[in-house]
Amino acid sequence: DIVLTQSPALAVSLGQRATISCKTNQNVDYYGNSYMHWYQQKPGQQPKLLIYLASNLASGIPARFSGRGSGTDFTLTIDPVEADDTATYYCQQSRNLPFTFGSGTKLEIK
Amino acid sequence: QVQLKETGPDLVQLTQTLSITCTVSGFSLTTYNVHWVRQPPGKGLEWMGAMWNGGGTDYNSAFKSRLSISRDTSKSQVFLKMNSLQTEDTAKYFCARQTGSAPFDYWGQGVMVTVSS
Repeated sequence: DIVLTQSPALAVSLGQRATISCKTNQNVDYYGNSYMHWYQQKPGQQPKLLIYLASNLASGIPARFSGRGSGTDFTLTIDPVEADDTATYYCQQSRNLPFTFGSGTKLEIK
Repeated sequence: QVQLKETGPDLVQLTQTLSITCTVSGFSLTTYNVHWVRQPPGKGLEWMGAMWNGGGTDYNSAFKSRLSISRDTSKSQVFLKMNSLQTEDTAKYFCARQTGSAPFDYWGQGVMVTVSS
């Protein structure tokens, strides 16, 4: 199974930049695409897709969110952070079955 | 518009079988895949398995032979059945839409299931 590793928590001041990392134990690239996606989940809600294929903004997601990376190292950046960005952020790979998620990074806005 | 909705019991007895239905609208089960993902209280997301648009299935080996996913395309429904429930199966169960190797682009609101002894 592909294991995705995220830091458990991050605190960022309002208006600053948040950078959340996700590292995998296997390459998730295939034929020019990186099969890494990012989700935001607020308490009591379902996950919401933010970024797909490492760097593509999902429909309706503000441009404050961006993703980059390839191979085994990926980052989600929120710049600038707003109070409403308080949530847990998960990375997920769809390169191989079983699809796997990172353990989530809880973002606190100071 | 695209919608997925899970329906199922709030409470299941230890060692019994869980059955959850995911009813979809706004897309066809023969075009899109539907997956099951669960989340224990306060924990992360775990992929359980998939109903592929062609009718095949795949399962997370973590669930061994306990898990079964099926569908009724005429009713736009996907079914999850898992037997021999234990307390650690207490979780919110989500269904989600997906295509190819793309992400889960739409999710249901989930159903919270508690396994009680």
